[in-house]
Amino acid sequence: GENVEQHPSTLSVQEGDSAVIKCTYSDSASNYFPWYKQELGKGPQLIIDIRSNVGEKKDQRIAVTLNKTAKHFSLHITETQPEDSAVYFCAANSPRTSSNYKLTFGKGTLLTVNP
Amino acid sequence: EAGVTQFPSHSVIEKGQTVTLRCDPISGHDNLYWYRRVMGKEIKFLLHFVKESKQDESGMPNNRFLAERTGGTYSTLKVQPAELEDSGVYFCASTSGSLNEQFFGPGTRLTVL
Repeated sequence: GENVEQHPSTLSVQEGDSAVIKCTYSDSASNYFPWYKQELGKGPQLIIDIRSNVGEKKDQRIAVTLNKTAKHFSLHITETQPEDSAVYFCAANSPRTSSNYKLTFGKGTLLTVNP
Repeated sequence: EAGVTQFPSHSVIEKGQTVTLRCDPISGHDNLYWYRRVMGKEIKFLLHFVKESKQDESGMPNNRFLAERTGGTYSTLKVQPAELEDSGVYFCASTSGSLNEQFFGPGTRLTVL
């Protein structure tokens, strides 16, 4: 089945700096890659997603890049703010299974933005 | 529009007891998923309902776990009997279909003592 690796597990940056989180996946058939942000006491919330027909997607300070050949995708947050502090999860879908839309998640990255 | 809701938010039970978790998806969402995050590890898929039918239950750990979605609306996940390793946060998510955003509930934190 699909396997998703995520790095780093923790990331501390100064306010205003950029943060980059990287993920790799194993199943070349995966074609949907969402990123979720989880704040304390809340469920994961989608912040951006990318499908395999594009290489990059941007939404204000957040961008995601996808390299299908290398099977890796990355989250980029620019001009970080303290409210960006949270756990971030990458995920990939599993087209080869009976549940195309089920997600396999990375282990998460705890991002801390220091004022 | 109300989001995905889960009940209870927390549950503390003794090993060997039974617990039932409930998930109410967003109204009209046919697809309902259960996931679990155990002690700082990754969020793992448990099963997927399409309406009242189980589309994929390959992630269910063992036969102590039983999920139902009678009528295709809310879903329950029962753990009987609970073991220590069942402790974790159980998330429910729903989507209207296709490769759309999965909306997650706030989770139920289960602690088995």
